[in-house]
Amino acid sequence: EADIYQTPRYLVIGTGKKITLECSQTMGHDKMYWYQQDPGMELHLIHYSYGVNSTEKGDLSSESTVSRIRTEHFPLTLESARPSHTSQYLCASGVDRGRDTEAFFGQGTRLTVV
Amino acid sequence: SQQGEEDPQALSIQEGENATMNCSYKTSINNLQWYRQNSGRGLVHLILIRSNEREKHSGRLRVTLDTSKKSSSLLITASRAADTASYFCATDSVNTGFQKLVFGTGTRLLVSP
Repeated sequence: EADIYQTPRYLVIGTGKKITLECSQTMGHDKMYWYQQDPGMELHLIHYSYGVNSTEKGDLSSESTVSRIRTEHFPLTLESARPSHTSQYLCASGVDRGRDTEAFFGQGTRLTVV
Repeated sequence: SQQGEEDPQALSIQEGENATMNCSYKTSINNLQWYRQNSGRGLVHLILIRSNEREKHSGRLRVTLDTSKKSSSLLITASRAADTASYFCATDSVNTGFQKLVFGTGTRLLVSP
């Protein structure tokens, strides 16, 4: 099992609330990712990080923001949640094996905005 | 659009049968990886095949890669009910300075006892 943890596992929250999804890893990986997964299963990369103080937007536009103040921690924040943000959010960290990157995933946070 | 497209979208087989899933992608890659996702959980890495490899085995898993067709297949032999899960391919593109893994749409596999 990978040492990467997401909290909470499930969150139901009202429209307009600010929320932060937590992601922590104890493997010392520099690369971290946030994916949003549709009900139809497709994963979309929304944010990634090379390391501390480095964050980039992914391929899918997202109203969320991220920060990377510590190597082990990569929280995702929604300033004002909307029903369209309802989704599964998966955090991952990446380790380089030569030229290859292997990803380790957390269990995910299922967010429902009502 | 996503780099990888898997087919079939869903596959239902009996225990003991083999399951084959296919993945197509669009750009040149460093490697292609297969991941498994149990319902409502995170993804778990299964196997990685590099762009200069054509076939790789790991236990009951066999992966092939055809870079000329930009496609890969995952074969699970002698399937078990515990293999029931969603399977995703992910590509690591040569075009990005940062190795972003881009995932396909997934195949839902149901193995019935």
